[in-house]
Order: sequence, then C-alpha cells, then structure tokens
Amino acid sequence: AQSVTQPDIHITVSEGASLELRCNYSYGATPYLFWYVQSPGQGLQLLLKYFSGDTLVQGIKGFEAEFKRSQSSFNLRKPSVHWSDAAEYFCAVGTLSSGTYKYIFGTGTRLKVLA
Amino acid sequence: ETGVTQTPRHLVMGMTNKKSLKCEQHLGHNAMYWYKQSAKKPLELMFVYNFKEQTENNSVPSRFSPECPNSSHLFLHLHTLQPEDSALYLCASSLGTSVRNNEQFFGPGTRLTVL
Repeated sequence: AQSVTQPDIHITVSEGASLELRCNYSYGATPYLFWYVQSPGQGLQLLLKYFSGDTLVQGIKGFEAEFKRSQSSFNLRKPSVHWSDAAEYFCAVGTLSSGTYKYIFGTGTRLKVLA
Repeated sequence: ETGVTQTPRHLVMGMTNKKSLKCEQHLGHNAMYWYKQSAKKPLELMFVYNFKEQTENNSVPSRFSPECPNSSHLFLHLHTLQPEDSALYLCASSLGTSVRNNEQFFGPGTRLTVL
C-alpha cells in the first residue's frame, strides 16, 4: 500500500541554521511528490513538487527538495532558516486509484525556530 | 475574495445538531475535495468531486453528507456527529483530477468541536 513517512514529529533549529526535513514514501510506480507548509490557523500552501526530470527541485521561500529513488526519499532543505518558517510541514505522494488522482499525506513535522 | 475560502472558521456543535460547512473556490477549478485533519494523524481524504460529480467517497460515515451544486461550491452537511469527529476540516480545489492538473489549493479550514 502507498504510504508516506515523516519520521520527525518535531524539529527545533536556531534562526540562520540549515534545515532538513525527512520524507520517505512507499509507492510502486513513479511517484509524484509534494511538500506543503501549514502555518497556524491556515490551510496548506504548496512549497514545491516533483513530477519528473531534475531530481533537485526548487520551491518557494528558499526551499528545495531532492528526490532519491534508491532511498525512496524526498527530503526538504533550506540553507538558512528564518523565524517565519516556524510551521508544520507535510510531505505527500500523488497516487492514481480507481481513475482518481489523490494525495497521501505524511503525519507532518512541526518546525520550531529559536531566535 | 481569492483562492479557497471556508466558512465558518470555527464551529461548536452538540451531537444532536445539524450544521453545514461551506467551501468556495475562486480559481476556476473543476475539482473539489474535503479532508479531515486530526491531531497526530495524516490528512484523511474524505470526498472528491470533479465537475460536480462525486468521484471518491473514502468510506466516510453517512453522518457526513457532501453536496456540490456547482464547480465553485462545496458543502459538508453534518448531523448526529460524535466527539471523535472533532477536527480541522479542510477544503481544497484543483483544476482537474489527472496527474498533471491535480495541484491542490487549500482553504484555511473549519475547526469543528463536537460536544
């Protein structure tokens, strides 16, 4: 069955430090992968997506993610975290089931940024 | 209004009440979704509508009844809910439901509390 695992429930980093959020997926076919961010009281906003091609994907707000097929991973990175990056981050894989394309989400990683 | 809007933002209801959640998208999309977001659980897809037709019902209890009168509006009618139904209910829309046009845009959610 398709699944997405985000092994870190909480991560705390200092402002200006680098960040890596982990995401592993289980999907038999070529995965379509996404990272979303959810700020408190808000809906989810798409940070970046991978469909094909270059395995290093650039997104908004200075984020990037790298698709590694051999590791079934799609980790999110940012070289220097800002206080406004404190939020919850969700990894998702797009799957085709019964003719409908759907997302399967991970449980999320909550990021705290120390001043 | 732009994007995806949801009303009300907060709702408290008793188990015998009947209430409705409303979602409206101003993006010209054709597909709309309801998700349930509970603490420490992945987002759960509940329903998918494409061109007003329901294409997915993810084994949702009948006390949740969706309605999609047109491609811009989506409702979730609630009756005789249980306390475990308390959650954040997110609406999303996308241009379509195929692989390449499925990027989903989310509303801010309705925080539902069932007493």
